[in-house]
Amino acid sequence: ELKVEQNPLFLSMQEGKNYTIYCNYSTTSDRLYWYRQDPGKSLESLFVLLSNGAVKQEGRLMASLDTKARLSTLHITAAVHDLSATYFCAVDEVQGAQKLVFGQGTRLTINP
Amino acid sequence: DVKVTQSSRYLVKRTGEKVFLECVQDMDHENMFWYRQDPGLGLRLIYFSYDVKMKEKGDIPEGYSVSREKKERFSLILESASTNQTSMYLCASSPLDRAVTRYEQYFGPGTRLTVT
Repeated sequence: ELKVEQNPLFLSMQEGKNYTIYCNYSTTSDRLYWYRQDPGKSLESLFVLLSNGAVKQEGRLMASLDTKARLSTLHITAAVHDLSATYFCAVDEVQGAQKLVFGQGTRLTINP
Repeated sequence: DVKVTQSSRYLVKRTGEKVFLECVQDMDHENMFWYRQDPGLGLRLIYFSYDVKMKEKGDIPEGYSVSREKKERFSLILESASTNQTSMYLCASSPLDRAVTRYEQYFGPGTRLTVT
């Protein structure tokens, strides 16, 4: 059974600082997703990572994937208040229809 | 622009009522999904469908059923609502073909259901 764990679950940081959210998963997969969710809103796709060593960047966010370690990271550079949200990673179960298993989510609060 | 819509943003129902949550997508996607989201638990898959009239159980199907009569529409049914089904319900859709560029799930705005 595929399990996905994120840490930390809560993160409070100051503007301008750097930090990393970690996503570990338990079985082989070929695809990992990062989503953002603002309070009361739905999930917005941030990144799709397809292969070992994949790195994608959008603004102050950078995601990477190490399939051998079964680990993905979401790195935040010089955080700004607008990045406050809950971030989820999700891993594709590979077999059959696309079934995603989600991590618990990391609630990120960025303080001025 | 891709779009997944859900019939209600907020819903309040009484224990024992039959509840229908509707989801419609306009992207011609084969796959459709229903999740519930609870604090600290992330999203958990209730049911999914990869074709009209086809359905598969997810991780937490108990107390729920689904219907997919048309490709664009996927309904979640709570036969007899209970208070432990109070939650945020999210619908999503995705293409069937893993080879497409945007092989990912697109989410609707969610329905916050309260059962009293």
